[in-house]
Amino acid sequence: EDQVTQSPEALRLQEGESSSLNCSYTVSGLRGLFWYRQDPGKGPEFLFTLYSAGEEKEKERLKATLTKKESFLHITAPKPEDSATYLCAVQAGYGGATNKLIFGTGTLLAVQP
Amino acid sequence: ETGVTQSPTHLIKTRGQQVTLRCSSQSGHNTVSWYQQALGQGPQFIFQYYREEENGRGNFPPRFSGLQFPNYSSELNVNALELDDSALYLCASSFYTGSYEQYFGPGTRLTVT
Repeated sequence: EDQVTQSPEALRLQEGESSSLNCSYTVSGLRGLFWYRQDPGKGPEFLFTLYSAGEEKEKERLKATLTKKESFLHITAPKPEDSATYLCAVQAGYGGATNKLIFGTGTLLAVQP
Repeated sequence: ETGVTQSPTHLIKTRGQQVTLRCSSQSGHNTVSWYQQALGQGPQFIFQYYREEENGRGNFPPRFSGLQFPNYSSELNVNALELDDSALYLCASSFYTGSYEQYFGPGTRLTVT
């Protein structure tokens, strides 16, 4: 069964204290791995797509990396406005399959000033 | 470019009633997916519509049904509401059904009493 596990469940950082969030996955044929940010009561906001092992993408203080078993979201010198839940999702299956997203339960990040 | 919109924002219904939620996809997108997000959980895939036909369904009973219209907007209908249907319902649009990013709307918060 396709599965996505995120850790830690919650993370509290001081402003400027860099860290990483983990997303491990077990899928039958990875078609893409996605990172989203979600603020309370709102819809997920798209951040990154990664397609193959070794791929990296950056946006401001965020950098996402991908291996064959997991992905990391590195946060460099975070600010309080980076506080949110970060969701990881995968698309799995082979040609013709629906592009449904399978989500993890997220990491709740709190950055204190 | 217009983003994904959903209506209504909030809704309170009684157990056994029926509800219809609406979604307008992002301009240029022809595929709509619906997700249910319970508190503290990641979104769960309900179903996807492409070219006005259902193109994949998650583990949800038949009382969850949907429609997609020629302008790519969509509806989610839930009959015989149960208390466990209380959740944030998210609509996501994407271009085609391949490994493309899905962009989410703000969601509809449904409370069943």
